[in-house]
Amino acid sequence: ETGVTQTPRHLVMGMTNKKSLKCEQHLGHNAMYWYKQSAKKPLELMFVYSLEERVENNSVPSRFSPECPNSSHLFLHLHTLQPEDSALYLCASSQVPSWTGSRYNEQFFGPGTRLTVL
Amino acid sequence: GIQVEQSPPDLILQEGANSTLRCNFSDSVNNLQWFHQNPWGQLINLFYIPSGTKQNGRLSATTVATERYSLLYISSSQTTDSGVYFCAVFTPYGNNRLAFGKGNQVVVIP
Repeated sequence: ETGVTQTPRHLVMGMTNKKSLKCEQHLGHNAMYWYKQSAKKPLELMFVYSLEERVENNSVPSRFSPECPNSSHLFLHLHTLQPEDSALYLCASSQVPSWTGSRYNEQFFGPGTRLTVL
Repeated sequence: GIQVEQSPPDLILQEGANSTLRCNFSDSVNNLQWFHQNPWGQLINLFYIPSGTKQNGRLSATTVATERYSLLYISSSQTTDSGVYFCAVFTPYGNNRLAFGKGNQVVVIP
């Protein structure tokens, strides 16, 4: 596998379910990101991890819980979601975090998980 | 935070035509990326271009950082060029995140 992978690609869940999204990067990067893309809205940054430490939480509700066990893996744990949480969830990685003024802050995205909450 | 505006929002092209997409941003940037989002949602990196001009096949991009805009050129368009093109910028004077525009929806018809 190369690049950034995400599983599952599609997920349908009820409001009382608990599920997890998984992201894995094979690029040797040190920063990973979760984004949410809703219809007709720009991509919204949710979380940023740098060297497995969370460095940004963009006022995301607590029903979304990220986990970064190592620099290659990122999870997003979901529980008691609402229908308005239905969206495309995208994972990205970069060699260094985005706030560094370096050529190596270029972000690469996974294919996304399309989530539907019933 | 920094504002990113893309134009035109929607574009329909005949196969073989050329087009220009524009991205305006409201502050100095040290990172600008162009992406193509295909119909399945995958964001594909096209260019990392905080300044200058780059070319990759039928696509090229120019960023004039001092005037706060970037252009993406698509030449001899093909149906596979259909999708949404996003411009994303990072400013060191903002809130430490890559800011995305709303995208240019491009449809190439045969």
